[in-house]
Amino acid sequence: QVQLVQSGAEVKKPGASVKVSCRASGYTFTVYGIHWVRQAPGQRLEWMGLINAANDNTRYSQKFQGRLTFTRDTSASTAYMELSSLTSEDTAVCYCARAQGSGSYLIDYWGQGTLVIVSS
Amino acid sequence: DIVMTQSPDSLAVSLGERATINCKSSQSVLSSSNNKNFLAWYQQKPGQPPNLLISWASTRDAGVPDRFSGSGSGTDFTLTISSLQAEDVAVYYCQQYYNSPTFGQGTKVEIK
Repeated sequence: QVQLVQSGAEVKKPGASVKVSCRASGYTFTVYGIHWVRQAPGQRLEWMGLINAANDNTRYSQKFQGRLTFTRDTSASTAYMELSSLTSEDTAVCYCARAQGSGSYLIDYWGQGTLVIVSS
Repeated sequence: DIVMTQSPDSLAVSLGERATINCKSSQSVLSSSNNKNFLAWYQQKPGQPPNLLISWASTRDAGVPDRFSGSGSGTDFTLTISSLQAEDVAVYYCQQYYNSPTFGQGTKVEIK
């Protein structure tokens, strides 16, 4: 069965960077894309962007342009999300999620989420 | 960005009764190329990630009980739970995937 397993919770200071991993199993990694979506406390789900696992093409939400980087390691079926210049407003649960196609905006499976806390 | 607005923010329904959630998009999510609505519904239970219930406005995902149904087109959509069960207590989100994904604010469903 499709599984997306994310790395554990992170606590970071303002100005630091965080890198979250997402290991996929149960399907051919390079056939699908990986979305990153976050949920701040009491807020709606917020799309951060998408990486095409086949060709490494990325699309980022304009909100995060310049401080968000997606990468992937096809040999390990793992995607990574790195967010820099963190502020308290970046405190959120970050999810990786599978795109229903390599570049599809429809999300069909989600990781368990990684809590990122930004605090001095 | 397309803005998604759900109503109500919360609702309490008796077990076995119908629950109806509305979702409105700020612009049409109906594609003229394939005549499909790029609209999905997700269920999120406390402490869990969202779970896909319905895509293309009305297509239930595999394993989703048939008490869940989606309808609507263009800018106005509805998720209906025909007979509420205890395990349906959750927050429900609509999402458009016509372009860069955006989500509604969520509707919390509780038992009356």
